[in-house]
Amino acid sequence: NAGVMQNPRHLVRRRGQEARLRCSPMKGHSHVYWYRQLPEEGLKFMVYLQKENIIDESGMPKERFSAEFPKEGPSILRIQQVVRGDSAAYFCASSPPSRDRGSEQFFGPGTRLTVL
Amino acid sequence: SQQGEEDPQALSIQEGENATMNCSYKTSINNLQWYRQNSGRGLVHLILIRSNEREKHSGRLRVTLDTSKKSSSLLITASRAADTASYFCATDNQAGTALIFGKGTTLSVSS
Repeated sequence: NAGVMQNPRHLVRRRGQEARLRCSPMKGHSHVYWYRQLPEEGLKFMVYLQKENIIDESGMPKERFSAEFPKEGPSILRIQQVVRGDSAAYFCASSPPSRDRGSEQFFGPGTRLTVL
Repeated sequence: SQQGEEDPQALSIQEGENATMNCSYKTSINNLQWYRQNSGRGLVHLILIRSNEREKHSGRLRVTLDTSKKSSSLLITASRAADTASYFCATDNQAGTALIFGKGTTLSVSS
Protein backbone atom coordinates (compact mmCIF):
# COMPACT_ATOMS: atom_id res chain seq x y z
CA ASN A 1 0.00 0.00 0.00
CA ALA A 2 1.80 3.09 -1.24
CA GLY A 3 2.11 5.96 1.17
CA VAL A 4 1.45 9.61 0.48
CA MET A 5 3.20 10.62 -2.72
CA GLN A 6 4.47 14.09 -3.43
CA ASN A 7 6.15 15.44 -6.51
CA PRO A 8 8.39 16.94 -7.38
CA ARG A 9 10.69 16.29 -4.42
CA HIS A 10 12.77 19.35 -5.26
CA LEU A 11 11.64 22.39 -7.20
CA VAL A 12 13.67 25.44 -8.15
CA ARG A 13 11.92 28.55 -9.38
CA ARG A 14 13.00 32.10 -10.12
CA ARG A 15 11.19 35.01 -8.51
CA GLY A 16 7.93 35.72 -10.28
CA GLN A 17 7.42 32.19 -11.63
CA GLU A 18 4.70 29.78 -10.60
CA ALA A 19 5.19 26.68 -8.47
CA ARG A 20 2.86 23.67 -8.61
CA LEU A 21 3.17 21.02 -5.95
CA ARG A 22 1.31 17.73 -6.23
CA CYS A 23 0.11 15.31 -3.59
CA SER A 24 -1.52 11.91 -3.98
CA PRO A 25 -3.02 10.72 -0.69
CA MET A 26 -2.88 7.18 0.57
CA LYS A 27 -5.40 4.81 -0.95
CA GLY A 28 -8.72 5.17 0.78
CA HIS A 29 -7.90 8.55 2.28
CA SER A 30 -10.22 11.39 1.38
CA HIS A 31 -8.74 14.13 3.58
CA VAL A 32 -5.65 16.08 2.50
CA TYR A 33 -3.69 18.65 4.48
CA TRP A 34 -0.87 20.94 3.38
CA TYR A 35 1.80 22.21 5.78
CA ARG A 36 4.84 24.44 5.30
CA GLN A 37 8.10 24.08 7.19
CA LEU A 38 10.71 26.80 7.32
CA PRO A 39 14.30 25.88 8.29
CA GLU A 40 14.66 25.01 11.98
CA GLU A 41 10.91 25.40 12.49
CA GLY A 42 7.97 23.11 13.06
CA LEU A 43 5.28 22.57 10.50
CA LYS A 44 2.66 25.28 10.00
CA PHE A 45 -0.80 24.31 8.79
CA MET A 46 -1.92 25.85 5.53
CA VAL A 47 -5.07 24.19 4.23
CA TYR A 48 -7.34 21.18 4.70
CA LEU A 49 -9.29 19.76 1.78
CA GLN A 50 -11.67 16.96 0.99
CA LYS A 51 -12.56 15.93 -2.54
CA GLU A 52 -13.67 19.06 -4.40
CA ASN A 53 -14.01 21.05 -1.19
CA ILE A 54 -11.78 23.36 0.81
CA ILE A 55 -12.69 22.77 4.45
CA ASP A 56 -10.24 25.04 6.26
CA GLU A 57 -7.82 27.46 4.59
CA SER A 58 -7.12 29.58 7.65
CA GLY A 59 -3.35 29.00 7.32
CA MET A 60 -3.08 30.01 3.69
CA PRO A 61 -1.61 33.39 2.79
CA LYS A 62 -4.37 35.56 1.33
CA GLU A 63 -2.58 36.21 -1.94
CA ARG A 64 -0.71 34.08 -4.46
CA PHE A 65 -1.50 30.74 -2.79
CA SER A 66 -4.29 28.38 -3.79
CA ALA A 67 -5.09 24.71 -3.33
CA GLU A 68 -7.43 22.22 -4.88
CA PHE A 69 -8.32 18.56 -4.55
CA PRO A 70 -10.31 17.59 -7.65
CA LYS A 71 -12.61 14.62 -7.98
CA GLU A 72 -9.97 12.87 -10.05
CA GLY A 73 -6.23 13.28 -9.66
CA PRO A 74 -3.89 14.64 -7.02
CA SER A 75 -4.24 17.61 -4.76
CA ILE A 76 -2.39 20.67 -6.06
CA LEU A 77 -0.84 23.51 -4.08
CA ARG A 78 -0.19 26.42 -6.39
CA ILE A 79 2.00 29.41 -5.61
CA GLN A 80 1.91 32.24 -8.11
CA GLN A 81 4.65 34.85 -8.55
CA VAL A 82 6.95 33.18 -6.05
CA VAL A 83 9.21 35.25 -3.82
CA ARG A 84 12.33 34.21 -1.90
CA GLY A 85 10.33 33.97 1.32
CA ASP A 86 8.34 31.10 -0.22
CA SER A 87 11.44 28.90 -0.06
CA ALA A 88 10.53 26.10 2.32
CA ALA A 89 9.59 22.44 2.54
CA TYR A 90 5.94 21.80 1.78
CA PHE A 91 4.42 18.68 3.22
CA CYS A 92 1.20 16.99 2.35
CA ALA A 93 -0.60 14.67 4.73
CA SER A 94 -3.69 12.54 4.39
CA SER A 95 -6.10 10.79 6.71
CA PRO A 96 -9.02 8.43 6.28
CA PRO A 97 -12.59 9.54 6.89
CA SER A 98 -12.87 9.49 10.64
CA ARG A 99 -15.31 10.58 13.31
CA ASP A 100 -12.41 11.40 15.63
CA ARG A 101 -11.15 14.92 15.55
CA GLY A 102 -7.40 15.28 15.28
CA SER A 103 -6.79 11.72 14.08
CA GLU A 104 -3.37 10.53 12.93
CA GLN A 105 -2.13 12.04 9.71
CA PHE A 106 0.18 10.28 7.27
CA PHE A 107 2.83 12.50 5.76
CA GLY A 108 4.48 12.52 2.39
CA PRO A 109 8.23 13.09 1.89
CA GLY A 110 7.73 16.76 1.10
CA THR A 111 8.62 19.10 -1.76
CA ARG A 112 11.55 21.40 -1.17
CA LEU A 113 10.97 24.66 -2.97
CA THR A 114 13.90 26.96 -3.60
CA VAL A 115 13.26 30.39 -5.05
CA LEU A 116 16.27 32.03 -6.64
CA SER B 1 0.39 30.95 17.35
CA GLN B 2 2.28 27.90 18.64
CA GLN B 3 0.14 25.45 20.55
CA GLY B 4 2.83 22.96 21.50
CA GLU B 5 6.26 23.95 22.71
CA GLU B 6 8.90 21.28 23.14
CA ASP B 7 11.85 21.39 25.42
CA PRO B 8 14.72 21.03 25.32
CA GLN B 9 15.33 22.42 21.84
CA ALA B 10 18.32 20.11 21.46
CA LEU B 11 19.45 17.00 23.29
CA SER B 12 22.67 15.01 22.88
CA ILE B 13 23.11 11.61 24.52
CA GLN B 14 25.08 8.40 24.19
CA GLU B 15 23.67 5.16 22.83
CA GLY B 16 21.94 3.18 25.53
CA GLU B 17 20.88 6.23 27.53
CA ASN B 18 17.28 7.36 27.89
CA ALA B 19 16.01 10.52 26.21
CA THR B 20 13.17 12.59 27.63
CA MET B 21 11.44 15.36 25.70
CA ASN B 22 8.68 17.57 27.03
CA CYS B 23 5.83 19.37 25.37
CA SER B 24 3.57 22.06 26.79
CA TYR B 25 0.39 23.33 25.18
CA LYS B 26 -2.04 26.16 25.83
CA THR B 27 -5.65 25.18 25.18
CA SER B 28 -7.73 22.09 25.94
CA ILE B 29 -7.14 19.14 23.63
CA ASN B 30 -8.83 15.98 22.42
CA ASN B 31 -5.54 14.19 21.95
CA LEU B 32 -1.84 14.79 21.58
CA GLN B 33 0.47 13.14 19.08
CA TRP B 34 4.22 12.73 18.74
CA TYR B 35 5.98 12.61 15.38
CA ARG B 36 9.57 12.00 14.34
CA GLN B 37 11.33 13.66 11.41
CA ASN B 38 14.64 12.43 10.12
CA SER B 39 16.79 15.07 8.46
CA GLY B 40 15.34 16.10 5.11
CA ARG B 41 12.46 13.65 5.31
CA GLY B 42 8.75 13.62 6.03
CA LEU B 43 7.16 13.07 9.42
CA VAL B 44 6.49 9.65 10.87
CA HIS B 45 3.71 9.20 13.40
CA LEU B 46 4.94 7.68 16.66
CA ILE B 47 2.09 7.64 19.12
CA LEU B 48 -1.26 9.26 19.91
CA ILE B 49 -2.51 9.74 23.45
CA ARG B 50 -6.10 10.77 24.14
CA SER B 51 -7.06 13.38 26.70
CA ASN B 52 -8.54 10.74 29.01
CA GLU B 53 -5.32 8.68 29.01
CA ARG B 54 -2.39 9.33 31.32
CA GLU B 55 0.26 7.04 29.90
CA LYS B 56 0.86 5.02 26.77
CA HIS B 57 3.61 2.68 25.64
CA SER B 58 4.82 1.59 22.22
CA GLY B 59 8.01 -0.44 22.09
CA ARG B 60 10.79 1.72 23.55
CA LEU B 61 8.53 4.76 23.64
CA ARG B 62 6.59 5.93 26.66
CA VAL B 63 4.32 8.94 26.52
CA THR B 64 2.65 10.62 29.47
CA LEU B 65 -0.03 13.27 29.46
CA ASP B 66 -0.94 15.61 32.29
CA THR B 67 -3.96 17.66 31.24
CA SER B 68 -3.98 19.62 34.51
CA LYS B 69 -0.50 20.95 33.66
CA LYS B 70 -1.14 20.96 29.92
CA SER B 71 2.02 18.99 29.32
CA SER B 72 3.23 15.74 27.81
CA SER B 73 6.53 13.90 27.81
CA LEU B 74 8.09 11.43 25.41
CA LEU B 75 10.62 8.99 26.82
CA ILE B 76 12.80 6.91 24.51
CA THR B 77 14.54 4.15 26.42
CA ALA B 78 17.84 2.49 25.48
CA SER B 79 18.42 4.96 22.67
CA ARG B 80 20.14 4.01 19.42
CA ALA B 81 21.99 6.03 16.82
CA ALA B 82 18.99 5.49 14.53
CA ASP B 83 16.85 7.51 16.97
CA THR B 84 18.73 10.63 15.89
CA ALA B 85 15.99 12.90 14.53
CA SER B 86 13.73 15.81 15.39
CA TYR B 87 10.71 15.05 17.53
CA PHE B 88 7.52 17.10 17.43
CA CYS B 89 4.40 17.11 19.51
CA ALA B 90 1.16 18.07 17.81
CA THR B 91 -2.32 18.87 19.01
CA ASP B 92 -5.52 19.36 17.07
CA ASN B 93 -6.83 22.86 16.55
CA GLN B 94 -10.19 23.97 17.95
CA ALA B 95 -12.07 22.93 14.83
CA GLY B 96 -10.33 19.57 14.62
CA THR B 97 -9.27 20.38 11.06
CA ALA B 98 -5.50 20.59 11.48
CA LEU B 99 -2.54 19.67 13.62
CA ILE B 100 -0.59 22.38 15.40
CA PHE B 101 3.08 21.53 15.81
CA GLY B 102 5.72 22.81 18.17
CA LYS B 103 9.22 23.71 17.01
CA GLY B 104 10.56 20.32 17.97
CA THR B 105 13.41 18.78 19.92
CA THR B 106 16.48 17.76 17.96
CA LEU B 107 17.86 14.54 19.41
CA SER B 108 21.39 13.42 18.65
CA VAL B 109 22.45 9.92 19.74
CA SER B 110 26.12 9.14 19.40
CA SER B 111 27.64 5.67 19.44
